[in-house]
This record gives sequence, C-alpha cells and structure tokens, in this order.
Amino acid sequence: NAGVTQTPKFRVLKTGQSMTLLCAQDMNHEYMYWYRQDPGMGLRLIHYSVGEGTTAKGEVPDGYNVSRLKKQNFLLGLESAAPSQTSVYFCASREAGDYNEQFFGPGTRLTVL
Amino acid sequence: DAKTTQPPSMDCAEGRAANLPCNHSTISGNEYVYWYRQIHSQGPQYIIHGLKNNETNEMASLIITEDRKSSTLILPHATLRDTAVYYCIVRVALAAGNKLTFGGGTRVLVKP
Repeated sequence: NAGVTQTPKFRVLKTGQSMTLLCAQDMNHEYMYWYRQDPGMGLRLIHYSVGEGTTAKGEVPDGYNVSRLKKQNFLLGLESAAPSQTSVYFCASREAGDYNEQFFGPGTRLTVL
Repeated sequence: DAKTTQPPSMDCAEGRAANLPCNHSTISGNEYVYWYRQIHSQGPQYIIHGLKNNETNEMASLIITEDRKSSTLILPHATLRDTAVYYCIVRVALAAGNKLTFGGGTRVLVKP
C-alpha cells in the first residue's frame, strides 16, 4: 500500500494564479482531511470529507475549495492564490468510527509570490 | 478539548528510553490521550492513544496516571530516527469533523 500520497510535492505560484492539490489514499478510508501548517505552528483544518460526494468546512476554509468525486481522492483548489496561503499542506485520511487514527501524506510545500 | 502542557524540548541518548511527559489536568472523563509525532518535513504520524489504562504497541508505551491528569509516552529504545516533535493531544472521540489540534509539542533530539 502506498498509503496517502500528495501531488505535487512543491509548487510556486504567483498571486492570483490557481491550482489544485491532489490527495490520494489506497486504504479505502471514508474520511479525508486537508490541513495547512505554517512555520513553527500546528495544523489547522481547512476542509474535510466524510465520504464520496461530501465535503465540509473546517477551521480555515476561506480561499479554498474541495471536491471528493471519488472515494480515494480529495482535491484542494486555490482559485486565486494569495501570499497568505504560502504554507505546507497536509492531507490525511482515516476509517470511519470514533477512535481511528489519521494517516497523513508527505505534504505539499506551496509558495505564493 | 482539554489543554495540554509539554516541555518544549528534550535530549535523549541513542539506545536509551525516552520518557516524554504531558500534563492534561483539565481532562474530562470521555477524553482520550493521543500521541503523534512529526519528523522534519514529513506529515504527522500516529503513535498511540489511551483512555485510562496503560497501552503498548510496537512503537511506544503510554502510561496514564490514575487521576488521568498527566501521562508519559515512553520510547523504549530511542534511535536517531526518533528525532522529531512529539505532540500530546487530548480529545473526545474523533467524530468525523473533529480536527486534530496540535499544540507546541516536545522537540526530541536523539543523540548518538
């Protein structure tokens, strides 16, 4: 199993450009999450999904959109990138249920100039 | 979620046990203690969790005091690859939308 993979690993954007980050998991997990981590800080939840075709807002959803058209994929979109969105983005997934741990991807380092 | 307090950093000798403390004095009865770690430039990794009994898995042991106000993560034989930031998280059952809240954590440096 590859676990949770993220594409791309690095990206540099100019202000106003758009892009999509892809998260894929091969563990048949129901729940998927997008977090961002700024230097020296903890994770902040952007959006999450509890199943194919569903999405919900997390702690810091503004400026991002998501889609979960397939169970194994969770896409994070930036329609008009801003320097404040410079961060490391982590995707995670877990099984349904109360106590299951989250499995994280390796992260995408995004810089917006 | 209950607030946790961890020392900001600690060193450990390779091959020795690393004991990482966490204070969670405001923990409530239905909150679990979770430990994750984040190795530099990687995504967080789940280590272990428990409610009130001590727990052990292939990575670590978790010792929770009887009053549940503190806990200790034990890495029995630390290796250089265990150098990471370790996060103690206290929370209720992970309902679907419940995020993981990572505080400051303890930066552990394993030295040869």
